[in-house]
Amino acid sequence: GAVVSQHPSRVICKSGTSVKIECRSLDFQATTMFWYRQFPKQSLMLMATSNEGSKATYEQGVEKDKFLINHASLTLSTLTVTSAHPEDSSFYICSARDPLGGNTIYFGEGSWLTVV
Amino acid sequence: DAKTTQPPSMDCAEGRAANLPCNHSTISGNEYVYWYRQIHSQGPQYIIHGLKNNETNEMASLIITEDRKSSTLILPHATLRDTAVYYCIVRVSSGGSNYKLTFGKGTLLTVNP
Repeated sequence: GAVVSQHPSRVICKSGTSVKIECRSLDFQATTMFWYRQFPKQSLMLMATSNEGSKATYEQGVEKDKFLINHASLTLSTLTVTSAHPEDSSFYICSARDPLGGNTIYFGEGSWLTVV
Repeated sequence: DAKTTQPPSMDCAEGRAANLPCNHSTISGNEYVYWYRQIHSQGPQYIIHGLKNNETNEMASLIITEDRKSSTLILPHATLRDTAVYYCIVRVSSGGSNYKLTFGKGTLLTVNP
């Protein structure tokens, strides 16, 4: 299947700082990418949908000013957690839809964020 | 949104077939059934999807009932590496050809030696 890569895989940041996570589709162009978060022993929760060149659509209850999403190119989306707090510590996962691959959605490896 | 119901956990012996059921009784005619799995601390992995017909690929087979109200994912020869949470998801259309995936709790499949 298609490959989606995230970076960094693990990051530790201090409370109050911002951290950026990158999501890249390596072998296809993704007009749509998605960001999820997952707390331990829970399922994935969709945070937002981003379309290349336009503003992201956030799910209800997700603060758009805190979780900044940029989808500037067809192969790259970034999630910036601003003014991070310990409760933002979580597993963040991106995914991308392959429009030429039956519209199948492929997921990245995930990024562990720990805010201390 | 068509919801899915899966058993919370299942066990399977290594080398045997693993049959994972999923109920989606409110599925509409143009909604696909997708299966993903998530091995601990990794991103979900796409397995297979289908609309009406049974599907097979190198990973698994998907059997969809004629009324489309349920489906079964079959791993023909389970290995220890197949231990994971398996998610059955009905594709939710978010406009045009776009859609998004909403995850439920899935089934934790444990393959035992």
